[in-house]
Amino acid sequence: NAGVTQTPKFRVLKTGQSMTLLCAQDMNHEYMYWYRQDPGMGLRLIHYSVGEGTTAKGEVPDGYNVSRLKKQNFLLGLESAAPSQTSVYFCASSLAPGAPQPQHFGDGTRLSIL
Amino acid sequence: KQEVTQIPAALSVPEGENLVLNCSFTDSAIYNLQWFRQDPGKGLTSLLLIQSSQREQTSGRLNASLDKSSGRSTLYIAASQPGDSATYLCAVSDFGNEKLTFGTGTRLTIIP
Repeated sequence: NAGVTQTPKFRVLKTGQSMTLLCAQDMNHEYMYWYRQDPGMGLRLIHYSVGEGTTAKGEVPDGYNVSRLKKQNFLLGLESAAPSQTSVYFCASSLAPGAPQPQHFGDGTRLSIL
Repeated sequence: KQEVTQIPAALSVPEGENLVLNCSFTDSAIYNLQWFRQDPGKGLTSLLLIQSSQREQTSGRLNASLDKSSGRSTLYIAASQPGDSATYLCAVSDFGNEKLTFGTGTRLTIIP
């Protein structure tokens, strides 16, 4: 029973490099989310998706892009990494609204930008 | 803009005590409120979800209350155990549960 799986778990990048974080869920959830967690800031929403083929901006979208080509996957891309993007990134998923459901989280990706 | 505050940032209590964690939010037009637990190096685990029309939810030793008019929620933990040590986060969602706004959490330590 995997739930939400994030790949990779750790990564170190140099400034200017690009990378993609992968999130996969096996619960047939419609909604998926990417958050970042920084000390003293709480979790902040980067981008989210309300279904396959859709994406929308969250609170802190600058410097990131996302894609939801398949319902079970949500990709977060950093085109040109900056030290300010050093953070712990969490993916989450939930059923569509109608009946309130909690968001289910992955274990996070710890990303350091040097 | 919705803001969520959790005070205190850290709390230590002896094992066996009952305790209350606090959460306040600035905009009462919420869809639901969720309490999460986060263990070090791990993701968030949902503990309780209270819909905007509800006043409280209970799960085992946990009880969460919601007072929308005052913009407050509390998480009550009965008979605390060392395994309850974790960071507890409160989050509120706008209509449709599309977006959660999180507090910065309360780090709870239960002393054996």
